[in-house]
Amino acid sequence: DTAVSQTPKYLVTQMGNDKSIKCEQNLGHDTMYWYKQDSKKFLKIMFSYNNKELIINETVPNRFSPKSPDKAHLNLHINSLELGDSAVYFCASSQVLSESPYNEQFFGPGTRLTVL
Amino acid sequence: RKEVEQDPGPFNVPEGATVAFNCTYSNSASQSFFWYRQDCRKEPKLLMSVYSSGNEDGRFTAQLNRASQYISLLIRDSKLSDSATYLCVVNMVIRGGSTLGRLYFGRGTQLTVWP
Repeated sequence: DTAVSQTPKYLVTQMGNDKSIKCEQNLGHDTMYWYKQDSKKFLKIMFSYNNKELIINETVPNRFSPKSPDKAHLNLHINSLELGDSAVYFCASSQVLSESPYNEQFFGPGTRLTVL
Repeated sequence: RKEVEQDPGPFNVPEGATVAFNCTYSNSASQSFFWYRQDCRKEPKLLMSVYSSGNEDGRFTAQLNRASQYISLLIRDSKLSDSATYLCVVNMVIRGGSTLGRLYFGRGTQLTVWP
């Protein structure tokens, strides 16, 4: 069984459109994250939620809106897509918000977004 | 300055070689350190956590030098299957002494092991 799943795996769309990416984890974790990995391969955190509560909101345009209907799901909605939004978006989860070295983050397979 | 800096490589080594990757981090209050591995077009996966005293997991040895804010990963007896990008990851303290689970990733060091 997949621990962290994302849909869709690939998303090709036109500039100006609105799209959503869904994420689900079946690990029973309390915390979920969205990361963006750009063409230079830098992986940067965008948001994190702990028990459905927004904890981290990096400097991300407000066209990006996360939603956590329950602690197993964290979706990402993007309005008015721009060329620069093209990237791979990874969802991740971890057991708790913690400094512990045991607090491994488990990543989903990624959604490759291409904006034309 | 980036929070976590790594030499991007690429490192191209023959099977059986020993290879070492280095990484520096900017926040001296950082608490937790990791090496993640990312295969081409796949998600990152935890390779190993890095403990203050250094730790070993089979052919992999991780070292931490807090004074120099430096982390290393040594791979002995390289295998073809070790070919991947290795990401140095640090859990940064951001406010009130908390990290809020925030991980900062280096851009990764690409390793190719050839037969």
